Amino acid sequence: DIVMTQSPLSLPVTPGEPASISCRSSQSLLYSDGHHYLDWYLQKPGQSPQLLIYLASDRASGVPDRFSGSGSGTDFTLTISRVEAEDVGVYYCMQALQAPRTFGQGTKVEIK
Amino acid sequence: EVQLVESGGGLVQPGGSLRLSCVASGFTFSNHWMQWVRQAPGKGLVWVSRVSSDGGNTKYADAVKGRFTISRDNAKNTLYLQMNSLRAEDTAVYYCARIGIVAGISAAGGPFDYWGQGTLVTVSS
Repeated sequence: DIVMTQSPLSLPVTPGEPASISCRSSQSLLYSDGHHYLDWYLQKPGQSPQLLIYLASDRASGVPDRFSGSGSGTDFTLTISRVEAEDVGVYYCMQALQAPRTFGQGTKVEIK
Repeated sequence: EVQLVESGGGLVQPGGSLRLSCVASGFTFSNHWMQWVRQAPGKGLVWVSRVSSDGGNTKYADAVKGRFTISRDNAKNTLYLQMNSLRAEDTAVYYCARIGIVAGISAAGGPFDYWGQGTLVTVSS
């Protein structure tokens, strides 16, 4: 199974400031079709997870453009350009390259 | 509006069985692969199982293989998870999730673009 490792696991943020989360996979997530099969999800307190980013850098419908994804191979980053109070919650990366799909441990983002 | 509504959770004794259901609406259910993901109390997300759009292709996490069965009824727009021989470690909120269709990639490789609200399964004596 592909192991996903996120850092940091806890991220205190200041509204208006940028924030970034790192995700590393135990093997390359690049498929022969040229896509990197890496998704990002946010689980807000008391809610179900919601899709933010897919294929490493494609923003899901309705997701604010302050969220962006980047990276290649085994190293990926989720960046929030200017954090807002509503962005608090736990962020997960997940590899979609092969079954079983595997998630990172989660990064808890909270306001300082 | 896409909706996924799970039901069937509850308290069950170790060794018991439960069947979870996920009723889909707002989209053409038969076009999408579907998944079950679970989350133990205070823990992270863990993939459980997936089924192809026609029900003919299934996969399971090693932790549930041989005990859980995923299925679907496209005529009823419903996804199921039959859980047998339940253990304490199966205690979790179970979410159904839709795999989104993305142009240019396989049907199995899309993101989980919609999730249900979850149903809690508690395995305890």
